[in-house]
Amino acid sequence: GIQVEQSPPDLILQEGANSTLRCNFSDSVNNLQWFHQNPWGQLINLFYIPSGTKQNGRLSATTVATERYSLLYISSSQTTDSGVYFCAVLYNFNKFYFGSGTKLNVKP
Amino acid sequence: DSGVTQTPKHLITATGQRVTLRCSPRSGDLSVYWYQQSLDQGLQFLIQYYNGEERAKGNILERFSAQQFPDLHSELNLSSLELGDSALYFCASSVGGTTSGEQFFGPGTRLTVL
Repeated sequence: GIQVEQSPPDLILQEGANSTLRCNFSDSVNNLQWFHQNPWGQLINLFYIPSGTKQNGRLSATTVATERYSLLYISSSQTTDSGVYFCAVLYNFNKFYFGSGTKLNVKP
Repeated sequence: DSGVTQTPKHLITATGQRVTLRCSPRSGDLSVYWYQQSLDQGLQFLIQYYNGEERAKGNILERFSAQQFPDLHSELNLSSLELGDSALYFCASSVGGTTSGEQFFGPGTRLTVL
């Protein structure tokens, strides 16, 4: 299979701070998605980003497929950003592999 | 709201029992995926169906089985349940098959095996 590693595993921020989450993968992938799992367990789509850069409000993501990594940027963090952030990759066109996640805690 | 629905939201049962989890994909999506999220194993892909046929298999136990019906809803059957099967089970859907784009996840079914 493929290894998907996320860093850091845990992150504590003060409200208003910026952060960068990283996702490394060990082989070429067909697509990549970022998700936010809120405290109620729901998985919310953030970005579908096999390559390039996308922005959505305070969040943006960049995937450099040739170098096998993706970054998720959170600016001006809010307490509602708390939860776990997962990246997931489609490998060999048929299996989706999740990283172990970054647990974010934004303090007021 | 992703448009993917799952029932039930919570399920409590005993070891050795059998349960069925149900998923309805977003309108127009042909692929359905099942995932298990447990504390020790993280989020793991179980199985994918595309337009009624099995398309890809992940770490699905032999005690587990799934199917996708002509109306495209899917069911995941878990039998001879063990304590370790307690987990959050997610269903996701996407438009295409193996070269699918974005997957959208349902709210999950939380299974507790006592």
